[in-house]
Amino acid sequence: AQKITQTQPGMFVQEKEAVTLDCTYDTSDPSYGLFWYKQPSSGEMIFLIYQGSYDQQNATEGRYSLNFQKARKSANLVISASQLGDSAMYFCAIRTGPGGSEKLVFGKGTKLTVNP
Amino acid sequence: KAGVTQTPRYLIKTRGQQVTLSCSPISGHRSVSWYQQTPGQGLQFLFEYFSETQRNKGNFPGRFSGRQFSNSRSEMNVSTLELGDSALYLCASSWDIPTENSPLHFGNGTRLTVT
Repeated sequence: AQKITQTQPGMFVQEKEAVTLDCTYDTSDPSYGLFWYKQPSSGEMIFLIYQGSYDQQNATEGRYSLNFQKARKSANLVISASQLGDSAMYFCAIRTGPGGSEKLVFGKGTKLTVNP
Repeated sequence: KAGVTQTPRYLIKTRGQQVTLSCSPISGHRSVSWYQQTPGQGLQFLFEYFSETQRNKGNFPGRFSGRQFSNSRSEMNVSTLELGDSALYLCASSWDIPTENSPLHFGNGTRLTVT
């Protein structure tokens, strides 16, 4: 079964500094996709960034980048130049499953607090 | 472009009752997924509908059911409510299976409290 592990229940960072949120995964499927979502206190899940298992380069999207280490089965999210609005829960998720039965399996999340 | 709309935002029900939650996906999206979020279990997949057919199902009891209409709107129903059903229920839509170009777009959720 597919599994996502986020070992940091909470993280603190100073405004304008960079922060890394850890994510390790477990799957036996050779083809998979990794997603990061942000959930502010309002409850809505916001898609941030995606990394495919066959992608040769680490994904980047504005201030978000992925440190993808396939052999170690890790896909850590790096947020550069943290802003107060980055304070939220962050979830790592993996999409696996045979054709037609794909779904996202989420980790428990990391609560990020950005201090002024 | 309107996002995923879930109604109602909050619900309070009594044990034994049933409840129906509604989800309107982003226009053009044919896949609708439902997730239950609790502090203890996190986000758990309930089911996914694509073009009115249930394509995928999570490990929830039969009290949890859903359906999708021809306009892609979806409803989920929980019968014989239990205290443990108290949770945030999130609906998400996408073009098809989740990919970089078709990530899940989530609604704000329905907060269900069972007393």
